[in-house]
Amino acid sequence: EPEVTQTPSHQVTQMGQEVILRCVPISNHLYFYWYRQILGQKVEFLVSFYNNEISEKSEIFDDQFSVERPDGSNFTLKIRSTKLEDSAMYFCASSDERGAYNEQFFGPGTRLTVL
Amino acid sequence: GQQVMQIPQYQHVQEGEDFTTYCNSSTTLSNIQWYKQRPGGHPVFLIQLVKSGEVKKQKRLTFQFGEAKKNSSLHITATQTTDVGTYFCAGRSNYQLIWGAGTKLIIKP
Repeated sequence: EPEVTQTPSHQVTQMGQEVILRCVPISNHLYFYWYRQILGQKVEFLVSFYNNEISEKSEIFDDQFSVERPDGSNFTLKIRSTKLEDSAMYFCASSDERGAYNEQFFGPGTRLTVL
Repeated sequence: GQQVMQIPQYQHVQEGEDFTTYCNSSTTLSNIQWYKQRPGGHPVFLIQLVKSGEVKKQKRLTFQFGEAKKNSSLHITATQTTDVGTYFCAGRSNYQLIWGAGTKLIIKP
């Protein structure tokens, strides 16, 4: 069964450093998302992406965040200058052509630890 | 801003007892989705409700969407150890899914 994959599973970085989190969505999906979840807390929407552009973003997704689909398979989240409070699990998700109103398939997540 | 409130935060039950979680939105939703997250895992889609007053069942799980499309509930009958995890509702408003804080189902030993 197709699944969303994410790398790395765990990323440790120093405050102020840039990180790139990578995702490979399900191959025929067209809508892509990033979420974060601080340990034990709610899932927070960051951004949605369709047709090579951001379709929606939350207040959390400020100028230090960016997303890119550099090729036909990868979807990345870049955090330019990490802060301690960026430590969280970051989930990528994708959905099919029925899109934003349909179920989202989540990847296993990348645990980001900022020291 | 738009919010989806979910209660309770935790529910401790004996195996075999029932479990219910409730979600309430500050605005009318176009649809609502339910996800389950096992400990250490990622959210997994359970179901989507679209119509006012809709009720859907999946084996021991019953999902309801309120008449005003502002609230929803998930009820599990006769819980089993495999039901352990956190259950999230996520309401659709425009293109964004607004997530509830989740209800953690804990089975008492």
